[in-house]
Amino acid sequence: SYELTQPPSVSVSPGQTARITCSGDALPKKYAYWYQQKSGQAPVVVIYEDSKRPSGIPERFSGSSSGTMATLAISGAQVDDEAGYYCFSTDSSGNQVVFGGGSKLTVL
Amino acid sequence: QVQLVQSGSELKKPGASVKISCKASGYTFTSYAMDWVRQAPGQGLEWMGWINTNTGNPTYAQGFTRRFVFSLDTSVTTAYLQISSLKAEDTAVYYCARRTSGVYWHFDLWGRGTLVTVSS
Repeated sequence: SYELTQPPSVSVSPGQTARITCSGDALPKKYAYWYQQKSGQAPVVVIYEDSKRPSGIPERFSGSSSGTMATLAISGAQVDDEAGYYCFSTDSSGNQVVFGGGSKLTVL
Repeated sequence: QVQLVQSGSELKKPGASVKISCKASGYTFTSYAMDWVRQAPGQGLEWMGWINTNTGNPTYAQGFTRRFVFSLDTSVTTAYLQISSLKAEDTAVYYCARRTSGVYWHFDLWGRGTLVTVSS
């Protein structure tokens, strides 16, 4: 079955840039999406189609994708950005939809 | 107001069944597909599948093909998830999520989740 691989945890100091990666064999052909989930809340999309930012999402959130790796970057990370971040995509056929295992971002 | 309102927490015994509801409001229900996502305690998100809100045709992810049923009642703009023969490992928060339309889609609206606890 198809898998997306993320680091379990990422830690940065406030004001630094946090980068969370997501690797998957189909990413050269398929878009990556990123969801933020704060404790006790439902997920929220922060990046769609590799690099697009929904309205209401701060400009410090950005996304990119190259080869088999997609990256979510949070520039000037804030304590309020502490959350779980999940990448999301499909296999090359588009039939298997998967979330990455999630990355816990700590800002301290 | 555009929203998905899910039913409340459930406590069930092993072997029982549960039916979770997800009521949509503020938009045309049949214009967007509905997906279901599971999150076990302390774990990540797991895509369960989706239902076409026009045809009622469900698609289930691997691992969710036997005891899980997606259904609709378009007259009350509500999607349902029924789980039968509950097991302890079904203990999780279950989310409904609206899928955007188009070839490239994502979840742009989520319910707040329904906690199902399976315990004797």
